[in-house]
Amino acid sequence: AQTVTQSQPEMSVQEAETVTLSCTYDTSESDYYLFWYKQPPSRQMILVIRQEAYKQQNATENRFSVNFQKAAKSFSLKISDSQLGDAAMYFCAFMDTGRRALTFGSGTRLQVQP
Amino acid sequence: NAGVTQTPKFQVLKTGQSMTLQCAQDMNHEYMSWYRQDPGMGLRLIHYSVGAGITDQGEVPNGYNVSRSTTEDFPLRLLSAAPSQTSVYFCASSYGGQGGLETQYFGPGTRLLVL
Repeated sequence: AQTVTQSQPEMSVQEAETVTLSCTYDTSESDYYLFWYKQPPSRQMILVIRQEAYKQQNATENRFSVNFQKAAKSFSLKISDSQLGDAAMYFCAFMDTGRRALTFGSGTRLQVQP
Repeated sequence: NAGVTQTPKFQVLKTGQSMTLQCAQDMNHEYMSWYRQDPGMGLRLIHYSVGAGITDQGEVPNGYNVSRSTTEDFPLRLLSAAPSQTSVYFCASSYGGQGGLETQYFGPGTRLLVL
């Protein structure tokens, strides 16, 4: 079984600044996917970014990028030029290729200060 | 495409009652899952399906049943509701393909309150 750990229950960042959210995971699988999801107060689960384990190149989506360290089992999310709309809960999640279901971390609540 | 739909949006049950949470997807995805989210926590996997007719338990399956008779539908049944099942329930589906396009698509969630 895999586990996902987010050690930062809350983070705060100033508008326009950069923040990094941490995530570590544990698995015996060699092929898998990693995700960051954003959950605003509406509870909708919004995909932020996806990383395939077989790709060494870190994924990037506009202001969002990841630092994927497969050997260290680390998957951090960097948000650049933070905006007020980025304030939400952020969940790191692991997907194995067998079940195609997710194992989630406990989440990090991000506050963005104007 | 409606994506993943869930009904109802909100439900109040009394302890011991049973009910079915409906989930449907129109993307022809093979893989579907049910999760629950308790306050201040991440989502936890209840049951999942890798195709029509094939289901299996996740991390927190007790008190829930599922079936998958069609690719589109994946209902979750609460057999005898308990206050501990008060939660927000999410249904999700995945393409299951290769090539880096894998994503889990979520429904809007069902809020369940068991009194």
